[in-house]
Amino acid sequence: DAKTTQPPSMDCAEGRAANLPCNHSTISGNEYVYWYRQIHSQGPQYIIHGLKNNETNEMASLIITEDRKSSTLILPHATLRDTAVYYCIVRVFGSARQLTFGSGTQLTVLP
Amino acid sequence: DTAVSQTPKYLVTQMGNDKSIKCEQNLGHDTMYWYKQDSKKFLKIMFSYNNKELIINETVPNRFSPKSPDKAHLNLHINSLELGDSAVYFCASSQGQGNQPQHFGDGTRLSIL
Repeated sequence: DAKTTQPPSMDCAEGRAANLPCNHSTISGNEYVYWYRQIHSQGPQYIIHGLKNNETNEMASLIITEDRKSSTLILPHATLRDTAVYYCIVRVFGSARQLTFGSGTQLTVLP
Repeated sequence: DTAVSQTPKYLVTQMGNDKSIKCEQNLGHDTMYWYKQDSKKFLKIMFSYNNKELIINETVPNRFSPKSPDKAHLNLHINSLELGDSAVYFCASSQGQGNQPQHFGDGTRLSIL
């Protein structure tokens, strides 16, 4: 699976959009981009995933660049409960394989 | 209506003991996983089972033995516990192969004295 690079930490004001970047410059054509988050003392939680088109669900939006070498997770209106470590993971489609977690981005939503 | 549940939530025991952690999922998934999160917060896969068959076995000491009595359960037994086994262990499940997301339990915090 391709390696990902994320900033170690970010702050965001409550109510504002949180934009979390991820670089995956070695991504291959059959690899999806997944985002998970881990709130303190809880298990990781799935947020969203995509291949090349932008995706949106009730939690977030995922913007993938045209060359697929980077992506951005957008939480449109961050709340204090969104404070967590956010992981960007690239994973081969069609594989019952494990998720390979990096060090993620600690997002702190400030009141 | 917990989707992936692990027991116990906390486990404190002495070095050399044998212990088990249980995991159950009620999502109807056919694939289950065990991950270990160490003190530096890195999450690493340990094992994965698909339809009760072992499909992933990372470099884990053979003191760790997973057992899947059915698709809804994946238990982890650890023999001769060592100080380095102290960590949070997460169980997860997903449906089949493909791009389906994994659902995680809330972890078992194992502390070795």
